[in-house]
Amino acid sequence: SQKIEQNSEALNIQEGKTATLTCNYTNYSPAYLQWYRQDPGRGPVFLLLIRENEKEKRKERLKVTFDTTLKQSLFHITASQPADSATYLCALTVTGGFKTIFGAGTRLFVKA
Amino acid sequence: DTAVSQTPKYLVTQMGNDKSIKCEQNLGHDTMYWYKQDSKKFLKIMFSYNNKELIINETVPNRFSPKSPDKAHLNLHINSLELGDSAVYFCASSQVGLAGVQETQYFGPGTRLLVL
Repeated sequence: SQKIEQNSEALNIQEGKTATLTCNYTNYSPAYLQWYRQDPGRGPVFLLLIRENEKEKRKERLKVTFDTTLKQSLFHITASQPADSATYLCALTVTGGFKTIFGAGTRLFVKA
Repeated sequence: DTAVSQTPKYLVTQMGNDKSIKCEQNLGHDTMYWYKQDSKKFLKIMFSYNNKELIINETVPNRFSPKSPDKAHLNLHINSLELGDSAVYFCASSQVGLAGVQETQYFGPGTRLLVL
């Protein structure tokens, strides 16, 4: 069966450290993978997109890696800040389709 | 200017009632979606329209009927509301890229539906 799995438990880190979130998938052929941020009571907001032929993408303090052999994406936030505290969703768009499948999200708490 | 807007933001209603949620996007996108996010925060696709045509229709009770009067609007009508319909409903839009694959989705603020 097809699955997208993210760390189900919340991730607690100290301000200034690097947060690393994991997204694993099975039985999908992704065209690309996206990461979104969702704050309580708000809709998801797009952060980064990485295509299946790309290994790494960066945007300011954010970095995403994509390993289609391991079927895994890692999302890093360097020099984390309390304002980075939110739920982060991984989303796969499958090849040839309009469908994007979201993971359940990982809650990140950054302590000052 | 709000890119994707939904109304109402909150909806509290009795079981058995019929209600509608409206969505509008001003991004010029050709694809719109409805998602349901339940209490466990899992975001599940319900419907998708591309250029006013239904292209995704997941396993959703036929009490839910989407309607797209034009590319900028996608409304969701729910008949005979049940307790299990309580959730947050998100509208989103995106544009199909050159490779024929949808690109980044932009989400509305959500409609919090509570069925009593």
